[in-house]
Amino acid sequence: GDSVTQTEGQVALSEEDFLTIHCNYSASGYPALFWYVQYPGEGPQFLFRASRDKEKGSSRGFEATYDKGTTSFHLRKASVQESDSAVYYCALGSGSFNKLTFGAGTRLAVCP
Amino acid sequence: NAGVIQTPRHKVTGKGQEATLWCEPISGHSAVFWYRQTIVQGLEFLTYFRNQAPIDDSGMPKERFSAQMPNQSHSTLKIQSTQPQDSAVYLCASSLGLGGRGDTQYFGPGTRLLVL
Repeated sequence: GDSVTQTEGQVALSEEDFLTIHCNYSASGYPALFWYVQYPGEGPQFLFRASRDKEKGSSRGFEATYDKGTTSFHLRKASVQESDSAVYYCALGSGSFNKLTFGAGTRLAVCP
Repeated sequence: NAGVIQTPRHKVTGKGQEATLWCEPISGHSAVFWYRQTIVQGLEFLTYFRNQAPIDDSGMPKERFSAQMPNQSHSTLKIQSTQPQDSAVYLCASSLGLGGRGDTQYFGPGTRLLVL
């Protein structure tokens, strides 16, 4: 079945550091790829998506590029802020209406 | 513009009791999804509806769990004879349901269920 692997379980950075969270997927079809962010006590919030190979998604300074060749969708941000501290989920959408399969999540802690 | 509404936000039940969780999707959205979140299993798909019709319930436990969507403005997830292992955050999401890779799901805040 479909699966998503996030390499980093936790990431600790200082403000203005560069962020990379690695996401690799395995899917039988040609999925859409998503990043969601979750704050304590809330549901996952949609960050952005990419629907085809080489498409770049971006929002709030975060970005990721769909790479079908390496089956990856790595999340990057050039300069993180304390307010970016949260759990980040990579997900793939399958089926007619994008049923989501999530990675395990990466907890980002940014210290001032 | 209200997002997805879920009630109650917290529910505590005794083992063997029934729990009913409610979800109101974003107005105009025709697809409604249910997920479960636990520390051990993470975010897992349960079931979804489009235009109130059940489309895929492949993630639903075969026993004790059922979901319905009696009208376009709400869906329910019912758990009969709750067990401690049912303790989780149950998340509802909705999307426009237009089909294709462009559909994006928006999540509610979740219902935290604790079974004692």
